[in-house]
Amino acid sequence: GAVVSQHPSWVICKSGTSVKIECRSLDFQATTMFWYRQFPKQSLMLMATSNEGSKATYEQGVEKDKFLINHASLTLSTLTVTSAHPEDSSFYICSARATSGEWSYNEQFFGPGTRLTVL
Amino acid sequence: AQSVTQLDSQVPVFEEAPVELRCNYSSSVSVYLFWYVQYPNQGLQLLLKYLSGSTLVKGINGFEAEFNKSQTSFHLRKPSVHISDTAEYFCAVRSGTYKYIFGTGTRLKVLA
Repeated sequence: GAVVSQHPSWVICKSGTSVKIECRSLDFQATTMFWYRQFPKQSLMLMATSNEGSKATYEQGVEKDKFLINHASLTLSTLTVTSAHPEDSSFYICSARATSGEWSYNEQFFGPGTRLTVL
Repeated sequence: AQSVTQLDSQVPVFEEAPVELRCNYSSSVSVYLFWYVQYPNQGLQLLLKYLSGSTLVKGINGFEAEFNKSQTSFHLRKPSVHISDTAEYFCAVRSGTYKYIFGTGTRLKVLA
């Protein structure tokens, strides 16, 4: 249980195109999901908090118009990187906060990550 | 503001030797503490967590950590490492805001 999936696992795109990454909680409901970015050999940096049915909350320095987040259901959040450029190449990881079920309340579960390469 | 410091960026250790990965945190409120492992090109896997109760926490793969409030530390230990333990290890702290703050990571390299 407590599985979070991401799709795709990797994606290569041309500069200027947009890329959508999906984050799904497979066996629990998640009113809140989080999006992280990880550069090579660095730590995870929180980009934004995605709330079901409302606008995402972005961390300081993260461009809202660049990284569009939609949390349309209790099991799905999407991150769209708009007009991607090579500097957006990174490993994107989502997590989902469990608010019900057998797990510790508010525990987060992490997805396997999506590697984005922008040419 | 909360912060997490992992003092060692890399830790080389021979197989079957013990290892300790250090983690110190800074917070003015009660925190929950976590250790995650990340293998190359993969997401995070939870090793163990401290939420409350016993300060000695046992996790998966033979790892354990001890929460020391006075020293604001949560060091990760394993008495005998294996080659398969080679990975990146992240310490994280979470407060009531639900946000996780991660340390910079420690790369454990187990040598044959």
